[in-house]
Amino acid sequence: DAMVIQNPRYQVTQFGKPVTLSCSQTLNHNVMYWYQQKSSQAPKLLFHYYDKDFNNEADTPDNFQSRRPNTSFCFLDIRSPGLGDAAMYLCATSVAGGRYNEQFFGPGTRLTVL
Amino acid sequence: QKEVEQNSGPLSVPEGAIASLNCTYSDRVSQSFFWYRQYSGKSPELIMSIYSNGDKEDGRFTAQLNKASQYVSLLIRDSQPSDSATYLCAVLGQNFVFGPGTRLSVLP
Repeated sequence: DAMVIQNPRYQVTQFGKPVTLSCSQTLNHNVMYWYQQKSSQAPKLLFHYYDKDFNNEADTPDNFQSRRPNTSFCFLDIRSPGLGDAAMYLCATSVAGGRYNEQFFGPGTRLTVL
Repeated sequence: QKEVEQNSGPLSVPEGAIASLNCTYSDRVSQSFFWYRQYSGKSPELIMSIYSNGDKEDGRFTAQLNKASQYVSLLIRDSQPSDSATYLCAVLGQNFVFGPGTRLSVLP
């Protein structure tokens, strides 16, 4: 089945220790998104890629970076995680263009910062 | 004014009743509207999309859109305890924006 896969599902890191979260998709969608979601809040968009074009939300901290080496994979790098970065990180994909833009989410990575 | 607003709930309904979830948005050029269901600790799951004024039905779910009033709703008929979740409204205008979600609790 076509899907969005995120690894790992649970990640524990120490304060200030860099961490990388990964996302892959078999949907062949050209847009990929990274969201941060904290408890009882809406998902907050961090970045998205339209093909290889990178789009950074204005309020995304510099501590967060992303890479998309090819259509199928996208990575979220947190350079120096703080306690406030503990959250669920969601990857989503969509087919760009037109009005539809339905986004399909992976299962998420739960990040804990000690 | 927030871009997409929803009542946070919790909205409690008895099993078998109709659950009505509401969403308003501020961007008048919004074209596409989505409802996602999110169980606790899980990722959002797309359950309905609607693009034109009126009703769209899919099984027990009906989405209703009124662009003049900038209002979109989701009705869940014959609510089941398994429908208990947070329902996120999302709107595509100039940006794709999620509402804060409404927590629904269906009581057996």
